[in-house]
Amino acid sequence: QKEVEQNSGPLSVPEGAIASLNCTYSDRGSQSFFWYRQYSGKSPELIMFIYSNGDKEDGRFTAQLNKASQYVSLLIRDSQPSDSATYLCVPRDSNYQLIWGAGTKLIIKP
Amino acid sequence: EAQVTQNPRYLITVTGKKLTVTCSQNMNHEYMSWYRQDPGLGLRQIYYSMNVEVTDKGDVPEGYKVSRKEKRNFPLILESPSPNQTSLYFCASSFSSQANTGELFFGEGSRLTVL
Repeated sequence: QKEVEQNSGPLSVPEGAIASLNCTYSDRGSQSFFWYRQYSGKSPELIMFIYSNGDKEDGRFTAQLNKASQYVSLLIRDSQPSDSATYLCVPRDSNYQLIWGAGTKLIIKP
Repeated sequence: EAQVTQNPRYLITVTGKKLTVTCSQNMNHEYMSWYRQDPGLGLRQIYYSMNVEVTDKGDVPEGYKVSRKEKRNFPLILESPSPNQTSLYFCASSFSSQANTGELFFGEGSRLTVL
């Protein structure tokens, strides 16, 4: 069974601080990793993807990948109340199927 | 406007009464998929389709049927709904899953309650 482990939260972060969301995965064959954001009652939307070990930055978001440790993270700088949502770490396995976890609920406190 | 459209958005039905949730996309995507989402659980894939007339079971296909007669449509059929199928359902689409960036385009969701 291919699994994704995320702290379900809620993770509470003050406005303007850095939010750090972490994820571990079980499938060593996964090579691509996606972060989706899901607002309450809404559908998921892709915010970042990362394929290579290291960091990838896009605006206030930085994704980090360490395949040897089977670890993915997402940093959100200068957190805003509009960042409050559930963040889903989604590896893609060697059959190109996405593996969905339950996500981490993030709350940004004004 | 590029979109995935699901209908109905909300439905309350009774055990055993057949229902169909429609899904249509206007982006000429080859790949379409149905998921269900329950509290505390991640998205679970029900069925997916790589292209017209090609469908495959996902992780939780029991109690569901699908068809892909046209590229744009991928209806989800519950022949005899049961209360354990009460859930939030999402349809999603993308270009070929082997070539795309992993970005799925989701419909707004269909909240189904089976009494």
